[in-house]
Amino acid sequence: QGQLVQSGAEVKKPGASVKVSCTASGYSFSSYGITWVRQAPGQGLEWMGWVSPFNGRTDYAQKVQGRVTMTTDTSTSTAYMELRSLTSDDTAVYYCASITGGAFDKWGQGTTVTVSS
Amino acid sequence: DIQMTQSPSSLSASVGDRVTITCRTSQTISTYLNWYQQRPGKAPKLLISATSTLQSGVPSRFSGSGSGTDFTLTISSLQPEDFATYYCQQSYSTPLFTFGPGTKVDIK
Repeated sequence: QGQLVQSGAEVKKPGASVKVSCTASGYSFSSYGITWVRQAPGQGLEWMGWVSPFNGRTDYAQKVQGRVTMTTDTSTSTAYMELRSLTSDDTAVYYCASITGGAFDKWGQGTTVTVSS
Repeated sequence: DIQMTQSPSSLSASVGDRVTITCRTSQTISTYLNWYQQRPGKAPKLLISATSTLQSGVPSRFSGSGSGTDFTLTISSLQPEDFATYYCQQSYSTPLFTFGPGTKVDIK
């Protein structure tokens, strides 16, 4: 039924950028959107945005608009999320998920991003 | 933006109890409402889509109902593996999505 595998944990300094990858297997990558969701320590789920592997269309949450870029590489069935100008508020677990009918049906295992000086 | 609330924010229950979690939205969303379960340290898991469609492999003790602005997730007989945090999510404003704040279910 397919799976999503994310890149490993990252530690970044304030002001830096991070790029997290999400590699799909077992399903038609180009047929389903990829969304990114983050979860700060002890907090709930926060939707960040989505990208269409079919045509590259993106939509971002207002909170991260201007600092985030989501892309895909269909040749490797991989989605990427780059977040710039990091602050301590960006410390979180970042998840990718595939979108089917508006629901997030397959999830990656999560990538911990720690922002610390 | 569509705002979402969940009640209660947390609850304590015993194995075998019937549990009901409510999700409310700030505007009508028809039945564009999904439910997720998240166990500690794990990725969320889709339980129910489109208000009431149980995902493959999800036990039948889970059910969902509602429409418009009020929605409910019910666990008919709580099992030990059901202790987790549950989130609702609206997809009415696709491709802009929103999650509810979550309801933590723990052991009484």
